[in-house]
Amino acid sequence: DTGVSQDPRHKITKRGQNVTFRCDPISEHNRLYWYRQTLGQGPEFLTYFQNEAQLEKSRLLSDRFSAERPKGSFSTLEIQRTEQGDSAMYLCASRRQGSTEAFFGQGTRLTVV
Amino acid sequence: GIQVEQSPPDLILQEGANSTLRCNFSDSVNNLQWFHQNPWGQLINLFYIPSGTKQNGRLSATTVATERYSLLYISSSQTTDSGVYFCAVERNYGQNFVFGPGTRLSVLP
Repeated sequence: DTGVSQDPRHKITKRGQNVTFRCDPISEHNRLYWYRQTLGQGPEFLTYFQNEAQLEKSRLLSDRFSAERPKGSFSTLEIQRTEQGDSAMYLCASRRQGSTEAFFGQGTRLTVV
Repeated sequence: GIQVEQSPPDLILQEGANSTLRCNFSDSVNNLQWFHQNPWGQLINLFYIPSGTKQNGRLSATTVATERYSLLYISSSQTTDSGVYFCAVERNYGQNFVFGPGTRLSVLP
């Protein structure tokens, strides 16, 4: 296993711009999760996929956020019209269906200026 | 939804000391994991422990599911143990984890 990979590791953007993050899960892991972590807090769930189907979305996922996993492999998380409150670490995790453990990537740290 | 509390929020230790971190959760769970978040933000799996006791080197964990708490023990702490320790629970397998607020551990040389 090469681990969960996220790109970019850091992103600085101006308020109002759109940003997109990518997550490559561990191969054969059909479940993929996105979490957001603000400074000093624990990660909070945003959404998850089983294969290409988006099965659950948190109320934290406003209409400016969209996530996709078109072929059931990598996933993208897009934030439109970024706001300063979007500044956070965005974490991706994956797991094999039926497995008890989830594995996290190193995250993408977003700073909106 | 389920609530997760962790204590203490912050802990400062001298190298070599032992510590106990606690996680309380408000409802029955099928899954509980302990993670260590290193200074670069990576969440490292420590234990999958919905019940019982496990040990891995200097770390061990115990979950008493009927009383809805879990403990993480760190013995002979090292500076590399510094970081934030999170407890995360799932009501049912495969659903999203609910994380606690974490315990920030600083181990001084």
